[in-house]
Amino acid sequence: GAVVSQHPSRVICKSGTSVKIECRSLDFQATTMFWYRQFPKQSLMLMATSNEGSKATYEQGVEKDKFLINHASLTLSTLTVTSAHPEDSSFYICSATRGGLTDTQYFGPGTRLTVL
Amino acid sequence: DAKTTQPPSMDCAEGRAANLPCNHSTISGNEYVYWYRQIHSQGPQYIIHGLKNNETNEMASLIITEDRKSSTLILPHATLRDTAVYYCIAYRGSTLGRLYFGRGTQLTVWP
Repeated sequence: GAVVSQHPSRVICKSGTSVKIECRSLDFQATTMFWYRQFPKQSLMLMATSNEGSKATYEQGVEKDKFLINHASLTLSTLTVTSAHPEDSSFYICSATRGGLTDTQYFGPGTRLTVL
Repeated sequence: DAKTTQPPSMDCAEGRAANLPCNHSTISGNEYVYWYRQIHSQGPQYIIHGLKNNETNEMASLIITEDRKSSTLILPHATLRDTAVYYCIAYRGSTLGRLYFGRGTQLTVWP
């Protein structure tokens, strides 16, 4: 195995509200988890990297106060989109890695966020 | 991380082998060649990876040239469910590098 789940699979919210997305590694302990975003007809873009018990490292141009990441355990990371706006509507995907020499990332099924 | 170059699209008949090429002429010695695929509206699925030697698993085979400047992913008997965007990525691991998803190759398997 190397199964990663995400919840919810899709969410619709009103502008100004906050949305939390969960990412879980189901059959392994993930030393590192990653959050990506994918806009329609574009490729995945890395948003941030998080290690359990540490602050997340955000990619350039990603607002850390808007996209809050918590990695409280070796099997769970959460992404909270605060004060969501329509331009935050996107497909959010997490991945997790066991670590080790090759560090393969296994991806979740993604969460479709629509902000009205 | 080294950039990779892939054809934007390919077609394959169901049941035939699909050979997807990838160029990575600037790959460094500690970069692995990774392949993922993404079916529409789903998260990417890991397929296979390798460093120098050819690799095979239940999904595919990966052939890496001796100079490591290019590789080919082989799906031995393509099915309609293999229709997806395939990404070839040179990756040093999360500590040193990033998974850079370029545009990939849209593989369409037709009946």
